[in-house]
Amino acid sequence: DTGVSQDPRHKITKRGQNVTFRCDPISEHNRLYWYRQTLGQGPEFLTYFQNEAQLEKSRLLSDRFSAERPKGSFSTLEIQRTEQGDSAMYLCASSPRVLIYEQYFGPGTRLTVT
Amino acid sequence: GIQVEQSPPDLILQEGANSTLRCNFSDSVNNLQWFHQNPWGQLINLFYIPSGTKQNGRLSATTVATERYSLLYISSSQTTDSGVYFCAVERRETSGSRLTFGEGTQLTVNP
Repeated sequence: DTGVSQDPRHKITKRGQNVTFRCDPISEHNRLYWYRQTLGQGPEFLTYFQNEAQLEKSRLLSDRFSAERPKGSFSTLEIQRTEQGDSAMYLCASSPRVLIYEQYFGPGTRLTVT
Repeated sequence: GIQVEQSPPDLILQEGANSTLRCNFSDSVNNLQWFHQNPWGQLINLFYIPSGTKQNGRLSATTVATERYSLLYISSSQTTDSGVYFCAVERRETSGSRLTFGEGTQLTVNP
């Protein structure tokens, strides 16, 4: 069990550019979650998938954000036309297909928009 | 939505001291987790504890679901315990859905 992995770990981009992040969950975990964390705050929920179905989206997920999990395995989070306010740590988590929905987090992708 | 309050916001200890961190939540929950966030931002799972008491080495946790609070105990603290501790909960009405995090307790353990 290698844990949740995220790529890239760091991303610096200019305002207006598009960025895409990838998350690989723990093998056979059917739920996958995206959170965003800004400095000094706790993580905030963005969206989650059960297999390939996106079941819930937060109001934080504006039209510029889109997430996919095409085959129920890895997931991507894309931000279009980045703004300086998008600078944050983007965290991915997964949980198993059992009654205990304990979430396990990846190392995060730190995004800096200049 | 559910509210999560953690206290104290900051805690400074000398190595070897004991501490108690508190998490209050505003509604019934079916998931409560404690995490330690290391300096690189990684969230480390400490406990999955929607109710009852668990212990893992120098750490233990108790959740009293009927009174809507949880406590994390750290005994004989070490410098490596430094970092931010988060409590996160999921509302009872959902299953396997979002976690709502508190704002964390920043713990500093001095040698």
